[in-house]
Amino acid sequence: AQKVTQAQTEISVVEKEDVTLDCVYETRDTTYYLFWYKQPPSGELVFLIRRNSFDEQNEISGRYSWNFQKSTSSFNFTITASQVVDSAVYFCALVSYNTDKLIFGTGTRLQVFP
Amino acid sequence: KAGVTQTPRYLIKTRGQQVTLSCSPISGHRSVSWYQQTPGQGLQFLFEYFSETQRNKGNFPGRFSGRQFSNSRSEMNVSTLELGDSALYLCASSLTTGSNQPQHFGDGTRLSIL
Repeated sequence: AQKVTQAQTEISVVEKEDVTLDCVYETRDTTYYLFWYKQPPSGELVFLIRRNSFDEQNEISGRYSWNFQKSTSSFNFTITASQVVDSAVYFCALVSYNTDKLIFGTGTRLQVFP
Repeated sequence: KAGVTQTPRYLIKTRGQQVTLSCSPISGHRSVSWYQQTPGQGLQFLFEYFSETQRNKGNFPGRFSGRQFSNSRSEMNVSTLELGDSALYLCASSLTTGSNQPQHFGDGTRLSIL
């Protein structure tokens, strides 16, 4: 069975704080892809990053960074120096090569206060 | 480049009716997937179409169906609507099919069943 767990339902921070969103996944497949999406109030899901199961390199993109650790089946997302515009629901998702169905976590609502 | 366009944005129906939602993918994208988002169940995969063929299907009853046209535009149909079908229906497109393809989402159609 495949599953994505985002244990943090809601996180509130003050602007300029760093925040980490946790994502733990389960799959028996050896080839899979992990994604993060951002859903602002408008509803559209915005693609942030894709990582394949064979690439454990961490990635940094501006204030965003991702930590992929196969040993703990985690793919955590850190926002450095958060801003009010970062307020949104963030989804972690998994798709395995064998099933081809994108499985989403329940999302983490991030509120950044000025 | 225009994004994924979904129409209508909002829809109100009553139980027992049927509804058709439309999705125009990003130009050049040939794969279209549909998702249902509800507060209780989160984001769930409905189906994927590629080259006018349903390529993959989630665990939804047969009342949920879809199709894709030769220009890659897709429609989703729900018959005999139930109260539980109230949800945000999201369409996503990608260049081609495959688990490694990042999906680009539209703003969704919010369907309310009275």
